[in-house]
Amino acid sequence: KQEVTQIPAALSVPEGENLVLNCSFTDSAIYNLQWFRQDPGKGLTSLLLIQSSQREQTSGRLNASLDKSSGRSTLYIAASQPGDSATYLCAVQTDSWGKLQFGAGTQVVVTP
Amino acid sequence: GAVVSQHPSRVICKSGTSVKIECRSLDFQATTMFWYRQFPKQSLMLMATSNEGSKATYEQGVEKDKFLINHASLTLSTLTVTSAHPEDSSFYICSAASHRGIPRETQYFGPGTRLLVL
Repeated sequence: KQEVTQIPAALSVPEGENLVLNCSFTDSAIYNLQWFRQDPGKGLTSLLLIQSSQREQTSGRLNASLDKSSGRSTLYIAASQPGDSATYLCAVQTDSWGKLQFGAGTQVVVTP
Repeated sequence: GAVVSQHPSRVICKSGTSVKIECRSLDFQATTMFWYRQFPKQSLMLMATSNEGSKATYEQGVEKDKFLINHASLTLSTLTVTSAHPEDSSFYICSAASHRGIPRETQYFGPGTRLLVL
C-alpha cells in the first residue's frame, strides 16, 4: 500500500529565507507527483506537477525535484514571503484515473 | 484553469439528519469526480471515485450506504451524508477531472465544505 510522508510537519522561517519541504513515498510505481498549497479552511491550489519520467519542474520561485527510485521529492521555495504561509501537501497519483494519495502536509509560517 | 464549486461552503446539522453536498465543474465536463474528507491537521483521504453515469467506487472502510454519491451529469456530483453523526464532522473536498482533452492527471479541486454535526 502506498504511503506518503511529509517532513517536517511544521516549519517557521523569517522572510527571505529559502524553504525546503520534503515528501517521501513507499511505492515508486507512480504516474506523477504533485505539490499543492492549502490555506486554512480552503481547498487546494495546484503548484507543480512532475511526471514520473521527469526529474524536476519549476514555476517562478518554486522548484520541485523528483527521485522516483528513492521515493523522494523536494519542494524548494526561494526567498520566502509572508504570503507563502500555508500548508503544503504532496500527492502521488497511483492509477490512470487520477487517484491521489496525499501526505499529511507541512504547515509553513513565514514571519515578516 | 478550470473552476470547481462546492455548495454549501459550511453546514451545521443535527445528529440523525442527512446532508447533501454539491460539486460542480463550471467550465468543463468532468467525466470523473473524486470525494475526499479531511480531519483537522490531517491529510486528505480519498472516499470514493465517481464516473459520470456509473456507480461510485468506494475506498476501503468507507460505508457506501452512509455516503451516497451521485454523478448524474458531466457537471454535477453530489455527496449525501445520511443519518449524520458528530464523528462525520469534517471538511469534505471534491475534485474533478476530464478524460476528454484535459490530461488525466489534471484535477481541479473545489473549495471544500465544512460539515459540523451537533
